[in-house]
Amino acid sequence: AQSVAQPEDQVNVAEGNPLTVKCTYSVSGNPYLFWYVQYPNRGLQFLLKYITGDNLVKGSYGFEAEFNKSQTSFHLKKPSALVSDSALYFCAVRDMFSGGYNKLIFGAGTRLAVHP
Amino acid sequence: DAGVIQSPRHEVTEMGQEVTLRCKPISGHNSLFWYRQTMMRGLELLIYFNNNVPIDDSGMPEDRFSAKMPNASFSTLKIQPSEPRDSAVYFCASSPPDLEQFFGPGTRLTVL
Repeated sequence: AQSVAQPEDQVNVAEGNPLTVKCTYSVSGNPYLFWYVQYPNRGLQFLLKYITGDNLVKGSYGFEAEFNKSQTSFHLKKPSALVSDSALYFCAVRDMFSGGYNKLIFGAGTRLAVHP
Repeated sequence: DAGVIQSPRHEVTEMGQEVTLRCKPISGHNSLFWYRQTMMRGLELLIYFNNNVPIDDSGMPEDRFSAKMPNASFSTLKIQPSEPRDSAVYFCASSPPDLEQFFGPGTRLTVL
């Protein structure tokens, strides 16, 4: 079965330190992977995606993610965290059995708390 | 670009009442998705459309829930009758053929 796992419910990091939000996936074939961020009382916002090509993907707000096929991971990273990065982060993978439609399978979400 | 538009943003109703949530997707997007988000169950996909046709409604929790997309610029999610356990934030998202989904701001539904 296809799935996305975000093993940490919450990640705490001090402002200015690097952050990593973990994501692993299980799909057939080559995955299409996404990260979204949700700020309080807002909808999900697209951050970045991996379809093919360079394993390091750069996205909005200084975030990047590294695709690792052997470890089936797509961890979200940022070199220097900001308090304003505090939010709920979702990893998602395209459902490869959805007949070409853009259906996504979302992880449970990881709450990132950046402390001053 | 106004993004995905949802209305109302907040809805408070009493148990047994009919609730209709509305969504206007981004122009040119051919797929539309309805999600529900709760603390207990997280983000759940309810139903999605492609070119106005429902593709998969397996996530719709009960027959009390129904969704329509009469044209490319409008979709509704209806709950009749509503129950307190339907209280949640309902999101609409749309996507173009090249994959990313764009989410609306959501409708916060409270059923008393």
